[in-house]
Amino acid sequence: QVQLQESGPGLVKPSETLSLTCSVSGASISSYYWSWIRQPPGKGLEWIGYFYYSGSTKYNPSLKSRVTMSVDTSKNQFSLKVSSVTAADTAVYYCAREIYDGYDYTHGIYYMDVWGKGITVTVSS
Amino acid sequence: SSELTQDPAVSVALGQTVRITCQGDSLRSYYASWYQQKPGQAPVLVIYGKNNRPSGIPDRFSGSSSGNTASLTITGAQAEDEGDYYCNSRDRSGDHEVFGSGTKVTVL
Repeated sequence: QVQLQESGPGLVKPSETLSLTCSVSGASISSYYWSWIRQPPGKGLEWIGYFYYSGSTKYNPSLKSRVTMSVDTSKNQFSLKVSSVTAADTAVYYCAREIYDGYDYTHGIYYMDVWGKGITVTVSS
Repeated sequence: SSELTQDPAVSVALGQTVRITCQGDSLRSYYASWYQQKPGQAPVLVIYGKNNRPSGIPDRFSGSSSGNTASLTITGAQAEDEGDYYCNSRDRSGDHEVFGSGTKVTVL
């Protein structure tokens, strides 16, 4: 059974860097896509970025200048850093595994089948 | 990047059928996946691909796609189906993800 667990500080000061880690059990991080998604209070889901096991990373263009993702294959973990945070970065942060299941003639098939429980991060002085 | 548009809210009588739609150009190239989220919980995958349900998802959930529109149908809605439903797909480039704004489903 694949499980993901987010960890990190629940409180970050404005202008500092938010750092979170997602620990993966039951699957190798050296396969699949691994994403970060966040959800501000009372709002919808926002994709932050993903890491692909081949070494490729892609970020949401609206956050790209402040976001860095990295992976530690020896610990089966991947991490997120968001720099220069403001109150707008206050959210529940989720990590998720994404599967690419090929194409069926017309459409590509991607889906996030396993999510962590989420971690609440508040940006406040 | 692409956008996915969802109606903000929909209601359905207990035992009746409700359809939630998601529109976006990227859906011509990528299937939507659908997620159910209940208050205080992480999203749960309910439909992916052409019309596939993960293990444990009731068969009253089904999906379909036509042109730039994906739909999630709940046939015989139950009280436990209340929650927020989000669609998601890759954008037109295939490099980035995009989520719909979510549809709140109320079972009356």
